[in-house]
Amino acid sequence: SFVLTQPPSLSVAPGKTARIPCGADNIESDSVHWYQQKPGQAPIMVIYYDSHRPSGIPERFSGSNSGNTATLIITGVEAGDEADYYCQVWVIGADLWVFGGGTRLTVL
Amino acid sequence: QVQLQESGPGLVKPSETLSLTCTVSGDSINSNSWSWVRQPPGKGLEWVGSLSYSTTTKSNPSLKSRVSMSIDTTEKRFSLNLTSVTAADTAVYYCVRDQGSVYGFDSWGRGTLVTVSS
Repeated sequence: SFVLTQPPSLSVAPGKTARIPCGADNIESDSVHWYQQKPGQAPIMVIYYDSHRPSGIPERFSGSNSGNTATLIITGVEAGDEADYYCQVWVIGADLWVFGGGTRLTVL
Repeated sequence: QVQLQESGPGLVKPSETLSLTCTVSGDSINSNSWSWVRQPPGKGLEWVGSLSYSTTTKSNPSLKSRVSMSIDTTEKRFSLNLTSVTAADTAVYYCVRDQGSVYGFDSWGRGTLVTVSS
């Protein structure tokens, strides 16, 4: 089965850069999407197609995808960025969507 | 701007069928695909299934054959049925607009908690 691997947690000081990895074999051949979920709220998309930002998402959010790891990058981390972040891909051939297990970002 | 609203019972008994509806406003239900995603309390996101007006439905193999979905273009809503539920099906269920493999899930409903308990 197809698995997206994320670290359960990550801590970053305010103003620093957070890099949240999402790993899978040859993930660079897939389009990776990222979602932010704050407590008690529905997820929102922050990055689609590896590195594209939906309207309304700050430029501080960016993404990359190379080799076996896709990465969500948040520069100038703010307290309001504290949330769970999930990566997602469509598994071609298996015809299913898969989410990573999620990473809880804590702003110190 | 598209808006999605889930509705349905908040409590379902074990072995019965969970039925949810998602009402779509601000977009054509004919022109897109739609998905269901669930999240057990304190856990991560799990894709349940996808459907569109023009293609066959797809569902998570982990749910085997318990999932069925339908779309009502007249009422601008789509539905999920999950049969033979157990406590493991207790979750917040979200309906989402599914823009496909390149664009992902760009709009989400607020979610509805369904508890399976006798």
